[in-house]
Amino acid sequence: DTEVTQTPKHLVMGMTNKKSLKCEQHMGHRAMYWYKQKAKKPPELMFVYSYEKLSINESVPSRFSPECPNSSLLNLHLHALQPEDSALYLCASSLGLANDEQFFGPGTRLTVL
Amino acid sequence: GENVEQHPSTLSVQEGDSAVIKCTYSDSASNYFPWYKQELGKRPQLIIDIRSNVGEKKDQRIAVTLNKTAKHFSLHITETQPEDSAVYFCAASKTGTYKYIFGTGTRLKVLA
Repeated sequence: DTEVTQTPKHLVMGMTNKKSLKCEQHMGHRAMYWYKQKAKKPPELMFVYSYEKLSINESVPSRFSPECPNSSLLNLHLHALQPEDSALYLCASSLGLANDEQFFGPGTRLTVL
Repeated sequence: GENVEQHPSTLSVQEGDSAVIKCTYSDSASNYFPWYKQELGKRPQLIIDIRSNVGEKKDQRIAVTLNKTAKHFSLHITETQPEDSAVYFCAASKTGTYKYIFGTGTRLKVLA
């Protein structure tokens, strides 16, 4: 398996809902990332896990909660989101060292009503 | 802070012509420069990258050049085809960090 996969592809949620985004890779990569991408903008880094430990949190609001259960899986738990959080959420992975090539998943298109 | 400027923001070329996208970075410690192609509704795909120990890298119709002194790098696409139409992002990174600094993107349209 040479791809990063993400589920669901689309998600619509209300501001009081709790939902989770999932990301999986079986390439043996040890670094995994969450990005947020707004239309016509570059991806914006949210979190980085390196060897299952949170390495970077780009001052993301606590309504976004990342989790890395094992080296192949990455979750993003969502709670009490705002309409401005609507975006494409991208997962990426890389071998494990900093400054490696990052490979992106297809993303989850999130709409917050 | 660290910054990557990317130009132009939009680029239209006739099929078969060449396209060039330029990026300038601010952090002289940057030493890794990937380029991503993102088609509408799709994931960003790594199409080529270059590290600071080389000045040029080529892969079929795509090439990247790096000028460390001027702190800029460029993507060159030759013999463009309609399927090259997409948004292209450059990025810069450095040893010891997982963070990419992305450019603002270039929308390339190849006209048939």
